[in-house]
Amino acid sequence: GESVGLHLPTLSVQEGDNSIINCAYSNSASDYFIWYKQESGKGPQFIIDIRSNMDKRQGQRVTVLLNKTVKHLSLQIAATQPGDSAVYFCAENSVNSGTYKYIFGTGTRLKVLA
Amino acid sequence: ETGVTQTPRHLVMGMTNKKSLKCEQHLGHNAMYWYKQSAKKPLELMFVYNFKEQTENNSVPSRFSPECPNSSHLFLHLHTLQPEDSALYLCASSQYLDGYTFGSGTRLTVV
Repeated sequence: GESVGLHLPTLSVQEGDNSIINCAYSNSASDYFIWYKQESGKGPQFIIDIRSNMDKRQGQRVTVLLNKTVKHLSLQIAATQPGDSAVYFCAENSVNSGTYKYIFGTGTRLKVLA
Repeated sequence: ETGVTQTPRHLVMGMTNKKSLKCEQHLGHNAMYWYKQSAKKPLELMFVYNFKEQTENNSVPSRFSPECPNSSHLFLHLHTLQPEDSALYLCASSQYLDGYTFGSGTRLTVV
């Protein structure tokens, strides 16, 4: 079936370095993608989204890149801080499908080393 | 606070108990969801409600029974659960097909 997956379950990054978290998706009809951050004891929180008519979108210290050719999504975090330690999920949906169902990846745990 | 409130935060119940999880959103969203989050597994969609009508039941066992009395409240009634049902149960809401706003979840332990 359709799936969204992450390449690395755990990523350790030195404080101040940049982090890159990757996600592969298999549904070529997907046209809307979201990155979520989940800290310990909390629900997932929206970080940034991107629609399929874009290949890059920037937020505050975060950038999402979309490569539709290889069905790949990445989240880049600049100058990683201890507060960035969390599990990051990608999620995808096909807005044109009219379904309210997002497909989530397994998640990547980001550990920031002091 | 995200605007989606879940209670209780933690729940321990026996396999013969009946309990309910509650979710409330004050964001004016039309859709509400129940997700199950287990260790090392992707978020599993359980139920979707759109304008308080159930639009999705993702093959969830009948020991989980959702209720949506209005667009702001969502319940998950639990009875005769199994230990493997222990997980974090997340409620979310959205405005149409926009991204979700999640609650903090209820950590359920079935003993």
